[in-house]
Amino acid sequence: KQEVTQIPAALSVPEGENLVLNCSFTDSAIYNLQWFRQDPGKGLTSLLLIQSSQREQTSGRLNASLDKSSGRSTLYIAASQPGDSATYLCAVSNDYKLSFGAGTTVTVRA
Amino acid sequence: NAGVTQTPKFRVLKTGQSMTLLCAQDMNHEYMYWYRQDPGMGLRLIHYSVGEGTTAKGEVPDGYNVSRLKKQNFLLGLESAAPSQTSVYFCASTFDRVYGYTFGSGTRLTVV
Repeated sequence: KQEVTQIPAALSVPEGENLVLNCSFTDSAIYNLQWFRQDPGKGLTSLLLIQSSQREQTSGRLNASLDKSSGRSTLYIAASQPGDSATYLCAVSNDYKLSFGAGTTVTVRA
Repeated sequence: NAGVTQTPKFRVLKTGQSMTLLCAQDMNHEYMYWYRQDPGMGLRLIHYSVGEGTTAKGEVPDGYNVSRLKKQNFLLGLESAAPSQTSVYFCASTFDRVYGYTFGSGTRLTVV
């Protein structure tokens, strides 16, 4: 069974600081890994999708890396802003389903 | 806009009542999923479908039934609601396992 772990569970940083969110998974036979953002009381918004053959993916201030062999992914958010405050979820796709970590809740202080 | 639409957005049920949650997608996706999200538990897979007419159990299927009679719709049924089924329910879909998943905005269900 795929187990996905996200560390830390919560993070509070001052505005402008770079964010580093970690995700690890136990079964490396994945199709892809997806990072989502979830605002309180809202749905999941996809941020980045990394295929199993890729090492990283970038979108604006966001960069995600994937090391499939070691079962790790890292999401970097550069120059954080108060609007980045949310819960970030990591999810890996294998078999026919997506397995989620519990998330990292980020607070960016103005 | 194209996407995944969940109906209803909010519902309060009494213990023992039944209801059906509807998920509709207009992206011609083959795969559809129902997840529940509970504080401290993350998202857990209830049931999923790999194509029209198919369904399969996920991690927490007890107390739920599903149907996929049309490719674009995936229904989640609660035959006899229990307080333990109070949760936020999310529907998701994807074209294929190598593609990203698209999620609906969720249904908040409270069973009293």
